[in-house]
Amino acid sequence: DGGITQSPKYLFRKEGQNVTLSCEQNLNHDAMYWYRQDPGQGLRLIYYSQIVNDFQKGDIAEGYSVSREKKESFPLTVTSAQKNPTAFYLCASSSDISTYGYTFGSGTRLTVV
Amino acid sequence: AQSVTQLDSQVPVFEEAPVELRCNYSSSVSVYLFWYVQYPNQGLQLLLKYLSGSTLVKGINGFEAEFNKSQTSFHLRKPSVHISDTAEYFCAVSEGSGGGADGLTFGKGTHLIIQP
Repeated sequence: DGGITQSPKYLFRKEGQNVTLSCEQNLNHDAMYWYRQDPGQGLRLIYYSQIVNDFQKGDIAEGYSVSREKKESFPLTVTSAQKNPTAFYLCASSSDISTYGYTFGSGTRLTVV
Repeated sequence: AQSVTQLDSQVPVFEEAPVELRCNYSSSVSVYLFWYVQYPNQGLQLLLKYLSGSTLVKGINGFEAEFNKSQTSFHLRKPSVHISDTAEYFCAVSEGSGGGADGLTFGKGTHLIIQP
């Protein structure tokens, strides 16, 4: 069955360390997105990519980086420059966002210790 | 730019009672509207969407929503809720007419709490 896989489900990081969250899809979707979710804040867009080797900053890109070397993969790196990285991170993809909306992964919960 | 307001952060309802979760949006262009549901520690699942046509949209799990252009609203309803409906519900909007490639805009969510 097609879908989006995020790994790991839970991740712990020490302050000052970079960490990479994985997002893989086998839906043949062109567009992929990363969102951050905090309690009472809804979902806020970090980065998105509409095509391989191209990506754009979202509303809260500072302290994050991404790459899109393959259509299936869109990893997110949380760098030490992100001042408050503890959050739930969601990856999504879409073939035609205006018609179908998103397909979401199951999320990664990152905790800084 | 578009925005979404979910007017209630929490809605407590007794089991088998009806429920309405409110969503208002603002946009200078035509829009597509979505409702998603999120169970604890999971991703979001699409409940229903409005693209065009009939303003009453039916979705999964017995939910429906009505698009009201004059009031810029897209409220979600269910005539009789079940304990399993306890979850977070998100309203989202994208620009219509082929737009929206830069992502959906989400409201802050409404926590639906079903009381036995």
